Amino acid sequence: QVQLVESGGGVVQPGRSLRLSCAASGFTFRTYLVHWVRQAPGKGLEWVAGIWYDGSEKFHADSVKGRFSISRDNSRNTLYLQMNSLRAEDTAVYYCARGDLRTRCLDYWGQGTLVTVSS
Amino acid sequence: EIVLTQSPGTLSLSPGERVTLSCRASQSVYSDHLTWYQQKPGQAPRLLIYGASNRATGIPDRFSGSGSGTDFTLTISRLEPEDFAVYYCQHYGSSLWTFGQGTKVEVK
Repeated sequence: QVQLVESGGGVVQPGRSLRLSCAASGFTFRTYLVHWVRQAPGKGLEWVAGIWYDGSEKFHADSVKGRFSISRDNSRNTLYLQMNSLRAEDTAVYYCARGDLRTRCLDYWGQGTLVTVSS
Repeated sequence: EIVLTQSPGTLSLSPGERVTLSCRASQSVYSDHLTWYQQKPGQAPRLLIYGASNRATGIPDRFSGSGSGTDFTLTISRLEPEDFAVYYCQHYGSSLWTFGQGTKVEVK
């Protein structure tokens, strides 16, 4: 079955960096779009970034452009999110999700990893 | 950038009732890229409806989606206890994925 397992979350000071990982299994990772979506405490869902199945195209929300970078390693079936210059407003649960190429929906989600930006 | 506005913000209902949730786009969108998700407290979102009207695998037929252009609707024909949750619409366009702010369906 499809599984997405995020890791790398934790408490980090403002201005510092953190890298999240998402290990995928149960499907052919290299043939799917994959995304990061976040949810601040008590708030709604916010799409953060997405990456084409072969890594050739990357997309980032305006709120993180220039600070966050999505990447993938298809040989390791792993998705990454490099987060630099972190701010308090980046505090959230970060989910990775598989994306359908045709419908552009996010059809499977991990359980999320919490990132807290605080001094 | 397209903005999705969901209404109402909260619905207080009883099991067995019919539910209609609205998702309005700031400009006309491609129906094939309109999606609905359900999220329960402490859980990841779950895909419900894709392409505006297609149920995802394993989703009960009491859930249905409809709409086109700027107005989309998620309907639950008869609320079950497990349907109390937050529902989000989402759209893809111009290399951006956008979520609505969500509608909470709570027990009356």
